[in-house]
Amino acid sequence: AQKITQTQPGMFVQEKEAVTLDCTYDTSDPSYGLFWYKQPSSGEMIFLIYQGSYDQQNATEGRYSLNFQKARKSANLVISASQLGDSAMYFCAMRGKGGSEKLVFGKGTKLTVNP
Amino acid sequence: ETGVTQTPRHLVMGMTNKKSLKCEQHLGHNAMYWYKQSAKKPLELMFVYSLEERVENNSVPSRFSPECPNSSHLFLHLHTLQPEDSALYLCASSQDAGRASYNEQFFGPGTRLTVL
Repeated sequence: AQKITQTQPGMFVQEKEAVTLDCTYDTSDPSYGLFWYKQPSSGEMIFLIYQGSYDQQNATEGRYSLNFQKARKSANLVISASQLGDSAMYFCAMRGKGGSEKLVFGKGTKLTVNP
Repeated sequence: ETGVTQTPRHLVMGMTNKKSLKCEQHLGHNAMYWYKQSAKKPLELMFVYSLEERVENNSVPSRFSPECPNSSHLFLHLHTLQPEDSALYLCASSQDAGRASYNEQFFGPGTRLTVL
């Protein structure tokens, strides 16, 4: 069964600094996809970045980058130059097996950016 | 603007009430999802519809009844709920093109449900 583990319930970072949010996963499927979502207090889940298991390079999207270490089964999110608007819950997710595109989510990390 | 809307945004209901949650996607997607987000728990997938047919039901109690009349609309009918059903209910949509494809799910803002 697929499983996502996020070990950091909460993280704090100073504005303009970089922060790494941890995510480890477990799967027996050789083909999988990893996602990061941001959930502000408004409740909406916002897609940030995607990494495919066969992608040769780490994914990057603006200030977001994914540190993908396949052998360690980790997919950490790195946010550079943090902004106050980055304060939110962050969820790591994995696309599971089966015909439907089921996403398995971790418990999330609450990031607080301090001025 | 995510292209996925949900109504109502907040709902308070008694255990004997019947209510419905509505989700609408304007993205031309062919798959829609209901998730439940309880405090301090991971998001739980409830239902998946692909091409308007239910393809997954994660052992959800029968007091939750989904309906997908077309590819743009998804409903969650609620009846005789319990206080532990209080949660944020999120709808999502994606273009389901098979397991080999990368298809992010776009989420709506959610309905905050409180069962008294």
